[in-house]
Amino acid sequence: GAVVSQHPSWVICKSGTSVKIECRSLDFQATTMFWYRQFPKQSLMLMATSNEGSKATYEQGVEKDKFLINHASLTLSTLTVTSAHPEDSSFYICSAADIQLHGNTIYFGEGSWLTVV
Amino acid sequence: GENVEQHPSTLSVQEGDSAVIKCTYSDSASNYFPWYKQELGKRPQLIIDIRSNVGEKKDQRIAVTLNKTAKHFSLHITETQPEDSAVYFCAASGNTGGFKTIFGAGTRLFVKA
Repeated sequence: GAVVSQHPSWVICKSGTSVKIECRSLDFQATTMFWYRQFPKQSLMLMATSNEGSKATYEQGVEKDKFLINHASLTLSTLTVTSAHPEDSSFYICSAADIQLHGNTIYFGEGSWLTVV
Repeated sequence: GENVEQHPSTLSVQEGDSAVIKCTYSDSASNYFPWYKQELGKRPQLIIDIRSNVGEKKDQRIAVTLNKTAKHFSLHITETQPEDSAVYFCAASGNTGGFKTIFGAGTRLFVKA
């Protein structure tokens, strides 16, 4: 149980365009989802926390207008990188939790490699 | 907010030896401490976790210890094998702040055959 799927695995986009990444919980209802960014050889940096039906809470230094997060249902959260630039190229990974069922334990999606050219 | 520090950043051991990775956290409200193993380009895999109501937990060759007073927790891997080579992350999470999980900087473990 506790399977989280993320799509796409790889995406290449041109500078100035937007790209959407989806995160789905397949066998549980994710009341909370988290989006992380990981640069090569670095740690996972939390970008934002999203709760179903409410606005995401962004970490300090993360531009909410650039990284749009929508958590419209209990099984789906999306991250849209708007007006992407080469410095946005990174590994983006989501995680999901059902706090009542799993407590603090989070389950990761496969991750998405974004390359902006 | 929570801050997690992890040491060492790299660790090289001989096959069969033990490896120890240490972490400290800053938020006394944190009550859940997972450890993840990440191979290149893949998602982190939960290998063991500990909650604040216990001091030690063991699963075969892997053990975790927690000292809540000192805000320290450690990962111990015994009888290391080449396939243990990976990056290991500690993390901390609590009931406040939306249960968000904050990660340490990671330790790159090399197990030499």
